[in-house]
Amino acid sequence: DGGITQSPKYLFRKEGQNVTLSCEQNLNHDAMYWYRQDPGQGLRLIYYSQIVNDFQKGDIAEGYSVSREKKESFPLTVTSAQKNPTAFYLCASSILGTPYEQYFGPGTRLTVT
Amino acid sequence: AQKVTQAQTEISVVEKEDVTLDCVYETRDTTYYLFWYKQPPSGELVFLIRRNSFDEQNEISGRYSWNFQKSTSSFNFTITASQVVDSAVYFCALRGDFQGAQKLVFGQGTRLTINP
Repeated sequence: DGGITQSPKYLFRKEGQNVTLSCEQNLNHDAMYWYRQDPGQGLRLIYYSQIVNDFQKGDIAEGYSVSREKKESFPLTVTSAQKNPTAFYLCASSILGTPYEQYFGPGTRLTVT
Repeated sequence: AQKVTQAQTEISVVEKEDVTLDCVYETRDTTYYLFWYKQPPSGELVFLIRRNSFDEQNEISGRYSWNFQKSTSSFNFTITASQVVDSAVYFCALRGDFQGAQKLVFGQGTRLTINP
């Protein structure tokens, strides 16, 4: 079964703690993305990566960090510097190139109190 | 700058009615790509369709159809004979070929509720 997995589905953290969200894909896609979704809003791009060991900031990268050590994996760390971390986080991947659609994982709902 | 507007925040219809979800976009790229995604209550975005800017043919897939009009910068989505399973949030998205090549720009989404 090809697809994107994100774990865990729900995550709870105390304010001030860093937390890492997992994203793995077995679609052999070169490009991977992280989006944030807030209630009643569209998705906003946090970071994206087109190749291993390279990644670029999206529109709302402040307070987040990523790594891309393997083609299949693109973990996102929400740091304590992120002012409003509670949100729904979606990982996506695609074939490299602009025409291609992105495929999304099931998402992780992060709650920070 | 690229922008996608879905003016309908919420739509509620009775099962078997036809419903159209509007999408208006802005871009300076001459080549671009438009997408529709469905987000059911589970949260995962499901890809529905991609349309290239140089192909203005409308498309039909079962009960779903899409109307792309470059003249009005619109890419509307119609569900015919709606069913309860169509209840979801639907997103329209845009990706440019130059300025906006690296990301999908999403609209705010339209929450569609199909009542039995």
